[in-house]
Amino acid sequence: AQTVTQSQPEMSVQEAETVTLSCTYDTSENNYYLFWYKQPPSRQMILVIRQEAYKQQNATENRFSVNFQKAAKSFSLKISDSQLGDTAMYFCAFMNANTGNQFYFGTGTSLTVIP
Amino acid sequence: GAVVSQHPSWVICKSGTSVKIECRSLDFQATTMFWYRQFPKKSLMLMATSNEGSKATYEQGVEKDKFLINHASLTLSTLTVTSAHPEDSSFYICSARAVLTGRIEAFFGQGTRLTVV
Repeated sequence: AQTVTQSQPEMSVQEAETVTLSCTYDTSENNYYLFWYKQPPSRQMILVIRQEAYKQQNATENRFSVNFQKAAKSFSLKISDSQLGDTAMYFCAFMNANTGNQFYFGTGTSLTVIP
Repeated sequence: GAVVSQHPSWVICKSGTSVKIECRSLDFQATTMFWYRQFPKKSLMLMATSNEGSKATYEQGVEKDKFLINHASLTLSTLTVTSAHPEDSSFYICSARAVLTGRIEAFFGQGTRLTVV
């Protein structure tokens, strides 16, 4: 079974600053995807960034980037130039690329961007 | 991008009644959809995997007779909460799996807030 751990229940960051959210996972699979999802107060799940495990290069999407350490099974999210609209719950998630079945979600990190 | 529409976005029902929630993939076919339940400030818990044309696969601890899932077409899965009780009040989210440009993607509905009174 896969497990995803987010050890930071809550975090805050000043507007325009940088923040890093941590995520570790445990799996025996070799082919998988990792995701960061954002859930604002509207509760809509919004994909922030994804990483294919076979890719060594860290994924980047504008102000969002990841630090993917496959051997350490670590997948942290860095948000640069934080904006008020980044305030949300952030979930790290794992998906088996071979079966493409359900997500395994972490417990989430509540991020607050302070003006 | 692909869109998953979930309806209704919120519903209030009386104890003992049944409520149906729909999850539609609007511009792609989804042979597999997933139903999650989320408690306040908690993570998403998978309830069941819905497969088009076959029976749903339920996670351990989820009552299949209470949470009826039907996936009759490639674009629609429904979750019916039967004989609802206040403890069934929660936020329910569906997601649909798609294979686009050779890789697996997943798209979420907007969620349904169910309140049983």
